[in-house]
Amino acid sequence: GDSVTQMEGPVTLSEEAFLTINCTYTATGYPSLFWYVQYPGEGLQLLLKATKADDKGSNKGFEATYRKETTSFHLEKGSVQVSDSAVYFCALGRGGGSYIPTFGRGTSLIVHP
Amino acid sequence: NAGVMQNPRHLVRRRGQEARLRCSPMKGHSHVYWYRQLPEEGLKFMVYLQKENIIDESGMPKERFSAEFPKEGPSILRIQQVVRGDSAAYFCASSIKRGGLYNEQFFGPGTRLTVL
Repeated sequence: GDSVTQMEGPVTLSEEAFLTINCTYTATGYPSLFWYVQYPGEGLQLLLKATKADDKGSNKGFEATYRKETTSFHLEKGSVQVSDSAVYFCALGRGGGSYIPTFGRGTSLIVHP
Repeated sequence: NAGVMQNPRHLVRRRGQEARLRCSPMKGHSHVYWYRQLPEEGLKFMVYLQKENIIDESGMPKERFSAEFPKEGPSILRIQQVVRGDSAAYFCASSIKRGGLYNEQFFGPGTRLTVL
């Protein structure tokens, strides 16, 4: 079945540091890939998505590229801010009979001033 | 345009009591999903509903848990005879269309259930 694996957290960085959060997936066919962000006390918000191989999703300075050859969708940001502190979830979605997204366990990011 | 609404935001129950969690989807959305998030874990799918129909309840525990989405009013997740292991954050999401391939799910702020 489908699965998503994320790097263990927490990831602790200083402000303006470079961020990478690794995500790999196992799936048949051609799923879509998503990154969601969850700020403290809130629900998940879609951060970015990519629907086919080699697509790059981007939003708010975050980027992720759908790499089918390595089954990866790593999240990156060139310069993090304190306000980026949150939990980040990688997810896999598909249509047809398997329409429920599969979420990773989440990676907590803590950014210090 | 209001987002997905959930209430209450926090709910405390004693073992054996009932918990009722409500979710109002975004305007125009007829597809509702419930997820549970245990401490230090990711989201686990519980149930997918459309108006007056349960489409997929494969993630729902077989006993004590039920869900409905009536023609009028919010979707309700009901947990009977709660136990400590039910303590978690319960999230509701809605979408315009069925599926997770292209159709984004919009999440509510969650209900944090604590069972004493």
